[in-house]
Amino acid sequence: DAKTTQPPSMDCAEGRAANLPCNHSTISGNEYVYWYRQIHSQGPQYIIHGLKNNETNEMASLIITEDRKSSTLILPHATLRDTAVYYCIPGSGTYKYIFGTGTRLKVLA
Amino acid sequence: GAGVSQTPSNKVTEKGKYVELRCDPISGHTALYWYRQSLGQGPEFLIYFQGTGAADDSGLPNDRFFAVRPEGSVSTLKIQRTERGDSAVYLCASSLGVWETQYFGPGTRLLVL
Repeated sequence: DAKTTQPPSMDCAEGRAANLPCNHSTISGNEYVYWYRQIHSQGPQYIIHGLKNNETNEMASLIITEDRKSSTLILPHATLRDTAVYYCIPGSGTYKYIFGTGTRLKVLA
Repeated sequence: GAGVSQTPSNKVTEKGKYVELRCDPISGHTALYWYRQSLGQGPEFLIYFQGTGAADDSGLPNDRFFAVRPEGSVSTLKIQRTERGDSAVYLCASSLGVWETQYFGPGTRLLVL
């Protein structure tokens, strides 16, 4: 399984873009990268996933480097409700998500 | 549509007691997963069901833990002779198929006194 490295915490001003990095240097060629977030006292919420190409949905954008060793989740206009722990999860199609400890994002008013 | 639901939302029990935690997956999802999350940690995999059968129970910590999914929909996680170390949030997730995105429920917070 690919190992991931995420900064333990980040702050972002409300209304600004939040850029959350993830290093997954051991990811293999067929492994997707999934991003989830967990708001306090709630279950993990799916955000986005990608394989090689950049992806965008209504919640966020995902930028994956060409070598696929790292990715960045972008919340374009962070709000206070985006305060959460964000997890980057490389998955090989395995059903065993390995969450790690994630990045605690705090959006500041 | 309705998401994954879990009951109860909170459970307080005494050491040595038996508990059951229930998960209702999203309708039509054939795969169901249980995870456990200790304070300050990310969720950890416990068991995965494809249909009615437990395809992988390698994450269950010991034989006090058992899970069933008799009709391929609702699942129950059962813990016998609870210990204080079993205190955690127990999360359930479901997906359309085994290789699909997992959607999580709100969790059951178990406290063993």
